[in-house]
Amino acid sequence: KAGVTQTPRYLIKTRGQQVTLSCSPISGHRSVSWYQQTPGQGLQFLFEYFSETQRNKGNFPGRFSGRQFSNSRSEMNVSTLELGDSALYLCASSVGQAKNIQYFGAGTRLSVL
Amino acid sequence: AQTVTQSQPEMSVQEAETVTLSCTYDTSENNYYLFWYKQPPSRQMILVIRQEAYKQQNATENRFSVNFQKAAKSFSLKISDSQLGDTAMYFCAFVYNQGGKLIFGQGTELSVKP
Repeated sequence: KAGVTQTPRYLIKTRGQQVTLSCSPISGHRSVSWYQQTPGQGLQFLFEYFSETQRNKGNFPGRFSGRQFSNSRSEMNVSTLELGDSALYLCASSVGQAKNIQYFGAGTRLSVL
Repeated sequence: AQTVTQSQPEMSVQEAETVTLSCTYDTSENNYYLFWYKQPPSRQMILVIRQEAYKQQNATENRFSVNFQKAAKSFSLKISDSQLGDTAMYFCAFVYNQGGKLIFGQGTELSVKP
């Protein structure tokens, strides 16, 4: 099976712009979770989608949003980018229960200038 | 609130030796799962080992084993016969309820020296 695929791998944006990141989960996985990784804050949970519905949400402002399509692929959108949004964004997919392993993609490195 | 704490930001070990990484967590939940993930410099996060909280037996995966102390809310990772390829950032993580929301510790950067 193919692993979790995130595109693009790298992005450079300027403040005020918006960005969309994509995540294709492992075939058969219905849950996709998104995480932000920064040196200062570590790994922080953004949100999780399960069967096209947001099931969990972290403590991020409304500028961060996501969605999931019927094929389980997920997108994350950040509007009005700020310098502090520069981070590695990781997505992970799983079958969908707490006991299930989350498999991570290689991440999208976003730099906001 | 659920929290995970890794008190060792950096550690180093000689090749072939054993090293233990510490992790403590705080939760009022009774059913949950604990994980150790590894993130090598190439940055792809990989699962190392998983522990179900309702199981008293410590999980093992080849050279990796855990010491799970539920009452103390402690979940340490032991790496035996350390190899150069074990050099990575190691994250302890916790999940409960429906799943999908992993709560991570700050990570321990492990260097294996030849």
